[in-house]
Amino acid sequence: SAVISQKPSRDICQRGTSLTIQCQVDSQVTMMFWYRQQPGQSLTLIATANQGSEATYESGFVIDKFPISRPNLTFSTLTVSNMSPEDSSIYLCSVAGKADEQFFGPGTRLTVL
Amino acid sequence: GENVEQHPSTLSVQEGDSAVIKCTYSDSASNYFPWYKQELGKGPQLIIDIRSNVGEKKDQRIAVTLNKTAKHFSLHITETQPEDSAVYFCAARPNSGYSTLTFGKGTMLLVSP
Repeated sequence: SAVISQKPSRDICQRGTSLTIQCQVDSQVTMMFWYRQQPGQSLTLIATANQGSEATYESGFVIDKFPISRPNLTFSTLTVSNMSPEDSSIYLCSVAGKADEQFFGPGTRLTVL
Repeated sequence: GENVEQHPSTLSVQEGDSAVIKCTYSDSASNYFPWYKQELGKGPQLIIDIRSNVGEKKDQRIAVTLNKTAKHFSLHITETQPEDSAVYFCAARPNSGYSTLTFGKGTMLLVSP
């Protein structure tokens, strides 16, 4: 399985600011995904990050709020913009493996005050 | 779109007992069903998965069964141990390739010594 790392592992931010989360994979992968997990809840897909093209966003998520970059096949970033306390969540990076399974990173725990 | 229901939401067992978590899905086109274990403070870990051409799959103490006619699949953990305590998520994915996972709401499993 792929080894996925995320930075930062956690952060406390002030409302109105932005945070960029990095995801690094130890091998080249075609599909990368960004999820949000609100406290005590399940996983919700934010967007699929495609290398060389714009990310594909799910209903309820927009590029202005969650801009995503995918400069190569091993790296992606998710920015949470103009944060409010409702953005306090765990943000998870995920990649598709060779057999089309999905692996998750350790997550970034965000608290917005 | 796909809808995945997961039961129970919490499950308490004694060490050594078996635990069963059940999920139902709505889209008959779904053909990939993974299970994830999420320990506190960590990202979800893929523990076992099953594809629609198989009815049952085992890996040591864990097994997954699939009934495509009834559109349900289950996770079975035998000889539970305290380290099995975690939140377990089921998921389903229609088709293959670039389709995305739909997750159940999760089951918190507590194994008491």
